[in-house]
Amino acid sequence: AQKVTQAQTEISVVEKEDVTLDCVYETRDTTYYLFWYKQPPSGELVFLIRRNSFDEQNEISGRYSWNFQKSTSSFNFTITASQVVDSAVYFCALSEYNFNKFYFGSGTKLNVKP
Amino acid sequence: DSGVTQTPKHLITATGQRVTLRCSPRSGDLSVYWYQQSLDQGLQFLIHYYNGEERAKGNILERFSAQQFPDLHSELNLSSLELGDSALYFCASGGDGNSGANVLTFGAGSRLTVL
Repeated sequence: AQKVTQAQTEISVVEKEDVTLDCVYETRDTTYYLFWYKQPPSGELVFLIRRNSFDEQNEISGRYSWNFQKSTSSFNFTITASQVVDSAVYFCALSEYNFNKFYFGSGTKLNVKP
Repeated sequence: DSGVTQTPKHLITATGQRVTLRCSPRSGDLSVYWYQQSLDQGLQFLIHYYNGEERAKGNILERFSAQQFPDLHSELNLSSLELGDSALYFCASGGDGNSGANVLTFGAGSRLTVL
């Protein structure tokens, strides 16, 4: 069965610190997709990144970077030089190969203090 | 604006009542997914429709039902409401999964309060 675990319930950092949000997944599929979403205090979920299971290249987008490691079934998210606007709940998600279901982790609440 | 429209934004009702939540997907998207987010909880998958057909079910209660209409909008019906049904209900739309490009685009959610 598919499962996504985000063990960090809440993280607090001071502005400009780097922070890594952990995501561990379980699946028996060989083809699957991984995602990160951001839910700011306004409540709407915003898509950040999608990765397929055949692409283990790390990705960087500005201050955001993602580390996908199939060997450890992890898809971690790092924010470099965090800012107050990064304060939000971040969700990691896993989709089956056919996109019939998306499984979300329980989320990590990030508090960035000035 | 994500392009996914959910109505109503807020709804307050009493136990035992029935409500209908509506979702219009982003233009061109064929899939609609419903999720429930209770206080301090993650996103619980309820159901997925693709082009009018049910594709997958999650832990959706028997008191809940959904459908997707020919114009692709979807409705989630919640009946015999209980206090524990109070939650934020999200609708998300997705494109054609066969193209391998599916990404969920979420609406702003419908906040249901059952008193």
